[in-house]
Amino acid sequence: DGGITQSPKYLFRKEGQNVTLSCEQNLNHDAMYWYRQDPGQGLRLIYYSQIVNDFQKGDIAEGYSVSREKKESFPLTVTSAQKNPTAFYLCASSILGATNEKLFFGSGTQLSVL
Amino acid sequence: AQSVAQPEDQVNVAEGNPLTVKCTYSVSGNPYLFWYVQYPNRGLQFLLKYITGDNLVKGSYGFEAEFNKSQTSFHLKKPSALVSDSALYFCAVTPLDSNYQLIWGAGTKLIIKP
Repeated sequence: DGGITQSPKYLFRKEGQNVTLSCEQNLNHDAMYWYRQDPGQGLRLIYYSQIVNDFQKGDIAEGYSVSREKKESFPLTVTSAQKNPTAFYLCASSILGATNEKLFFGSGTQLSVL
Repeated sequence: AQSVAQPEDQVNVAEGNPLTVKCTYSVSGNPYLFWYVQYPNRGLQFLLKYITGDNLVKGSYGFEAEFNKSQTSFHLKKPSALVSDSALYFCAVTPLDSNYQLIWGAGTKLIIKP
């Protein structure tokens, strides 16, 4: 089955700790995205990447970092600088990253602070 | 500021009745318009999009949406609701002068009662 796999499903972070969320896709899509979802709010873009070894900041990149060393993988690190990390994190991809393309989403990771 | 509004936090509909989930937007120029659905603890799934052409767009699971340029609206509709349609629905818009930045509504919870 082609799709996007996010892991883990649930993640807990201690204060001062960095944590990494995994996102893997086997759709052969060029573009990948990370969104943050908070209750009662629309999705907010953290980072996106259109090509390997290149990525762009979204609206709320502070306290987060990403890498794109392989086309299939786009991990997100939530650093200790992110003071309010509790949220549902969604990874998505699209074929080329054009603005008229639909997004394919993973099942999400719920991050909570201990 | 560019924005997307989903004026109803929740919509309640009896099974078999028609349903409408409202979306209005404020962006420059002619945007691309999207609807996505999210089931509990899952990622989002694409329903339909408007790029150009016929104002009535048909999508997945029997849903359709009507683009109204003068009212800057893109309401989601279905002639006969099913209990399985109960979910969270998001409207999203891409301004034509943007690069990969969807603007998301806050979401509308749709509850279909048997």
